Amino acid sequence: KAGVTQTPRYLIKTRGQQVTLSCSPISGHRSVSWYQQTPGQGLQFLFEYFSETQRNKGNFPGRFSGRQFSNSRSEMNVSTLELGDSALYLCASSSTTNSGRSYEQYFGPGTRLTVT
Amino acid sequence: AQKITQTQPGMFVQEKEAVTLDCTYDTSDQSYGLFWYKQPSSGEMIFLIYQGSYDEQNATEGRYSLNFQKARKSANLVISASQLGDSAMYFCAMSRHEGGKLIFGQGTELSVKP
Repeated sequence: KAGVTQTPRYLIKTRGQQVTLSCSPISGHRSVSWYQQTPGQGLQFLFEYFSETQRNKGNFPGRFSGRQFSNSRSEMNVSTLELGDSALYLCASSSTTNSGRSYEQYFGPGTRLTVT
Repeated sequence: AQKITQTQPGMFVQEKEAVTLDCTYDTSDQSYGLFWYKQPSSGEMIFLIYQGSYDEQNATEGRYSLNFQKARKSANLVISASQLGDSAMYFCAMSRHEGGKLIFGQGTELSVKP
């Protein structure tokens, strides 16, 4: 089974621009979560999508948004980029029970975003 | 609120020896999950092991075992017979019963010496 894929792997943007990151989960996984990793703040949860609905949200400003498509693929968008948004963005997918309970998360390789 | 604490920023271990990475957690939930992930320098997070709060037996996966002590709220990772390829950052994490959002600790950098 193919793992979680993320595109692009590397991105350089200028302050004020916006960016869209893409994540394709493991086949059959319906839950997709996004995390931001920085040296200062560590790993922080951004949001989780399940069946095209945002189920959980972390403490990030509204500039960070996401969505999930009917094939479970997910995108996250960051508008009006700031220097502090430079980070490794990790996407993870997990299988779920019929009631929506999710199990261990499997991560993609990440997108390294640099804001200049 | 849930919280994970890893008090060892860095550790060294000799190849072929066992090593224990510490993790304590705090939660008011009765049902939760505990996880360990490995992050090599390449950046990808690799799932290692899972322990449910109601699991009576400690989880094991090959050379990895999770020493779960619920009363002490600790979930230490034990790696037996360390290998050079085990050198990486190790993160302890927890989730609520329904899964989804993971709360991570700050990580422990493990270096395996030949």
